[in-house]
Amino acid sequence: QKEVEQDPGPLSVPEGAIVSLNCTYSNSAFQYFMWYRQYSRKGPELLMYTYSSGNKEDGRFTAQVDKSSKYISLFIRDSQPSDSATYLCAIPNTGNQFYFGTGTSLTVIP
Amino acid sequence: NAGVTQTPKFQVLKTGQSMTLQCAQDMNHEYMSWYRQDPGMGLRLIHYSVGAGITDQGEVPNGYNVSRSTTEDFPLRLLSAAPSQTSVYFCASSYTHNQPQHFGDGTRLSIL
Repeated sequence: QKEVEQDPGPLSVPEGAIVSLNCTYSNSAFQYFMWYRQYSRKGPELLMYTYSSGNKEDGRFTAQVDKSSKYISLFIRDSQPSDSATYLCAIPNTGNQFYFGTGTSLTVIP
Repeated sequence: NAGVTQTPKFQVLKTGQSMTLQCAQDMNHEYMSWYRQDPGMGLRLIHYSVGAGITDQGEVPNGYNVSRSTTEDFPLRLLSAAPSQTSVYFCASSYTHNQPQHFGDGTRLSIL
């Protein structure tokens, strides 16, 4: 079993839709959870950074962590064509390494 | 503020050649890392460093060497290039490994 697993997609939604992106992880000791956005031919950029359980909101983006289920989600409200990108979940482990999901490609259709 | 700078952006090598991918950051970050990104496989850690003079292996270290003589620079060396090393390589840095990493824009490497 991989340390972090991510729904592969791809996802294609109409402009204005609510998007849900999800990852599961294997180790209940993980404490920090991140979401990155990656545009084509660019490096990943940090979107959301959360610690432990609960929700964190930033504009149209909400990150949710459910530690009891070892499940993390990113919600995008009122999706825009500019949100079209690949989204990666990322979790630092307890030993100086990062685990990344394989990424979900999102296309928002105008 | 330049952030993380990777050079070159593109490179084509022949099998057996060696080369060094450069990475520099100007944020005084202690933690630096190298990843390769392949279709369907996400980002895989090659090597990382928690400070000058300290490096360690990640998930896929074979065929690659690193060194960290300064806080700012973390070069990745391909010893004898193989077609399986064709990939996009990303360098990243952060204050500690638990903090969000800042990524460069990558080096696209093709091995013929």
